[in-house]
Amino acid sequence: EPEVTQTPSHQVTQMGQEVILRCVPISNHLYFYWYRQILGQKVEFLVSFYNNEISEKSEIFDDQFSVERPDGSNFTLKIRSTKLEDSAMYFCASRTSSVVSGVQYFGPGTRLTVT
Amino acid sequence: GENVEQHPSTLSVQEGDSAVIKCTYSDSASNYFPWYKQELGKRPQLIIDIRSNVGEKKDQRIAVTLNKTAKHFSLHITETQPEDSAVYFCAGVLSGGYNKLIFGAGTRLAVHP
Repeated sequence: EPEVTQTPSHQVTQMGQEVILRCVPISNHLYFYWYRQILGQKVEFLVSFYNNEISEKSEIFDDQFSVERPDGSNFTLKIRSTKLEDSAMYFCASRTSSVVSGVQYFGPGTRLTVT
Repeated sequence: GENVEQHPSTLSVQEGDSAVIKCTYSDSASNYFPWYKQELGKRPQLIIDIRSNVGEKKDQRIAVTLNKTAKHFSLHITETQPEDSAVYFCAGVLSGGYNKLIFGAGTRLAVHP
């Protein structure tokens, strides 16, 4: 069964550094999402991406964040200048193009630790 | 915007008992309600979902009910087993838009042998 994959599984970075988190969505999916989960808290929506552009973003997704689909398979989340409070698990998710189905499939996550 | 409230935050049951987790949502335009199970350090996994045109859905030991009038939905797990122990998240999705998931705060379920 196809799965969403993410790399790296764990990223440690210093405050102020740039990080890029990578995701490979399920191949026939057209809607892509990033969520984050601070330790012990709920999963929070960051951004949705469709047709090569951001379709919706949350208040968390400020100018320090950007997303890109550089080729036909990868979907990346970049944080330009990391802050301590960016430490969290970041999940990528994807969804089929079907209008009827809302099912989102999550990747295994990247644990980002900012020191 | 949409808000999803979930309770209880923790639930402890004996193996074989039933467990019920309840969620309420704020936006009547929400039309899709998935439930995810998350084991420690793992990704959220969809376990069951329900759409607003259905009042109840069952899959083996798991069932979800939806009351559109009251804007609440519940997860029911019967004959609980230790492997059911995890954090369960409900979510709501607004109709239209790009289907972002708005999650509840989660319920930590512990099933004791």
